[in-house]
Amino acid sequence: QVQLVESGGGVVQPGRSLRLSCAASGFTFSTYAMHWVRQAPGKGLEWVAVVSSDGSNKYYADSVKGRFTISRDNSNNMLYLQVNSLRGEDTAVYYCAKCRTPTTYYGMDVWGQGTTVTVSS
Amino acid sequence: QSALTQPASVSGSPGQSITISCTGTSSDVGGYNYVSWYQHHPGKAPKLMIYDVSNRPSGVSNRFSGSKSGNTASLTISGLQAEDEADYYCNSYTTRSTLVIFGGGTKLTVL
Repeated sequence: QVQLVESGGGVVQPGRSLRLSCAASGFTFSTYAMHWVRQAPGKGLEWVAVVSSDGSNKYYADSVKGRFTISRDNSNNMLYLQVNSLRGEDTAVYYCAKCRTPTTYYGMDVWGQGTTVTVSS
Repeated sequence: QSALTQPASVSGSPGQSITISCTGTSSDVGGYNYVSWYQHHPGKAPKLMIYDVSNRPSGVSNRFSGSKSGNTASLTISGLQAEDEADYYCNSYTTRSTLVIFGGGTKLTVL
């Protein structure tokens, strides 16, 4: 069964950091690009970042560029999002999602249940 | 970066059909066939309903269909059912620096 499980969320003060994790199972993780997507309270889905299957290519939303870093560990089937210099507007549920095919970055066919990050003093 | 433009809400009665639009530019929706649609029930994981403009993943009802004309993509749901009530988001490849962009989302209410 294809599954993604996020962890690492919590309550954090502005300016601090967190590392979000996403454990993948049930598919050949190293073959697929992976995304992070977030949803702030009362807002829509916002794409955050994507990493290629081998980790060599990374793309970010303008709102997080320079503060967030996406990475992966293919030997352990793990996806990460290092979130630094957190701001109130980063408060959101963060989802990891799998790309539909090995050859593209588009179409997210499997999603985790999300992990919640709350930025508050 | 501006999101793709979707109506904030649409509604329909059971059995009816509705269409949700997703308007972008030639740099995203209009220029490439990489538009996807997602259904999101609050508190649950989003679900892929349509990929590459008009393709349905295995297991998705054929009541859901997608199309594109110019810079606007559309999701049509026919034979509306109560369980279709959810938020719907479009998503596209973009040539802007970020690679991927979502629409603002549309809340579907089944009356």
